[in-house]
Amino acid sequence: GEDVEQSLFLSVREGDSSVINCTYTDSSSTYLYWYKQEPGAGLQLLTYIFSNMDMKQDQRLTVLLNKKDKHLSLRIADTQTGDSAIYFCAESIRGGSYIPTFGRGTSLIVHP
Amino acid sequence: NAGVTQTPKFQVLKTGQSMTLQCAQDMNHNSMYWYRQDPGMGLRLIYYSASEGTTDKGEVPNGYNVSRLNKREFSLRLESAAPSQTSVYFCASSLAGEQETQYFGPGTRLLVL
Repeated sequence: GEDVEQSLFLSVREGDSSVINCTYTDSSSTYLYWYKQEPGAGLQLLTYIFSNMDMKQDQRLTVLLNKKDKHLSLRIADTQTGDSAIYFCAESIRGGSYIPTFGRGTSLIVHP
Repeated sequence: NAGVTQTPKFQVLKTGQSMTLQCAQDMNHNSMYWYRQDPGMGLRLIYYSASEGTTDKGEVPNGYNVSRLNKREFSLRLESAAPSQTSVYFCASSLAGEQETQYFGPGTRLLVL
């Protein structure tokens, strides 16, 4: 079945790295996504990774995929106060409708 | 491009009242979606439309109806609002295909008293 799980909160100090974790259950996943939701706004795609990749890097963002453990992580280097937001992990399933299934979101709080 | 727009931004209803949430996209996307977001629950899919002329139920369709008016517009109707429908509603669209990046509107905040 489809189930995406994330921890609900993460607090980091400005300038540190943040690591947001996600686990998923469907081994036939094709794409795994990270979305960011700033206060009072809709979700915006940050990055995605195809399930035949192990890693993807985009400026301060690094996505790591461990297919064996069905574990996805998002690392934000040099975290800034503007990174404070809710981060959603999502997966879309090969052979299904490809509509993403979202996790419940991780609230990242960055303090000085 | 405005992307995905939603109206209204805020709405207060009394139990039993009806209303329609409007959504439009100008990206020529084939698929459109309605989600609700509740604290601690993440996003839950209410209805979606894979293409113009088709609609399908999502995870939580009860109490809602939708209309895909044309390729641009996808509306969500609450026929008889209930307090349990107090939520933030997001419309999204995607081009459709294997890589389903979704583009979200700013949301409608609905309070049902």
